[in-house]
Amino acid sequence: DGGITQSPKYLFRKEGQNVTLSCEQNLNHDAMYWYRQDPGQGLRLIYYSQIVNDFQKGDIAEGYSVSREKKESFPLTVTSAQKNPTAFYLCASSWGQGAGYGYTFGSGTRLTVV
Amino acid sequence: AQTVTQSQPEMSVQEAETVTLSCTYDTSESDYYLFWYKQPPSRQMILVIRQEAYKQQNATENRFSVNFQKAAKSFSLKISDSQLGDAAMYFCAYKISGNQFYFGTGTSLTVIP
Repeated sequence: DGGITQSPKYLFRKEGQNVTLSCEQNLNHDAMYWYRQDPGQGLRLIYYSQIVNDFQKGDIAEGYSVSREKKESFPLTVTSAQKNPTAFYLCASSWGQGAGYGYTFGSGTRLTVV
Repeated sequence: AQTVTQSQPEMSVQEAETVTLSCTYDTSESDYYLFWYKQPPSRQMILVIRQEAYKQQNATENRFSVNFQKAAKSFSLKISDSQLGDAAMYFCAYKISGNQFYFGTGTSLTVIP
């Protein structure tokens, strides 16, 4: 079955460490997105990519980095510069950029700083 | 700026009853889509229903329907015959072509047996 796989489901990070969250899709979608979800704040866009080897910053990109070397993969690195990284992270993909295209979401990664 | 407002952080409904979740949005665009997503305890986001701004007819998907008031920039979700499986966080979202989704802060729905 086609879908988006995020791993790991739970991730613990020590302060000062970089960690990478994996997002893989087999839907042949061009566009991929990373969102951060915090209680009471909805979903906020971190980075998005419309095509391989290209990506753009979202509303809260500081302290995060991404790469898009393959169409299927869009990993997110949470760097030590991110001061409050504890959150739930959702990856999503879409066929295209048209207004009517909805997202397919992964099941998320819960990141906790210890 | 595009904003989406969900003014009800929490709602509850008796099983088999009907509940309406509110959403308002702010935009200067004329061509856009509105969506409702459901996030159950599994945290998997699921598309519930979508509405194109140009269509006057309200979208319906089985027990889920919307009341789209374009002039008022209102997009409420009605859930009929509520079931225990409807318990979830519901997010209203707005999207224009070539751009990202803008999500509201969510409404947590509890279904009482």
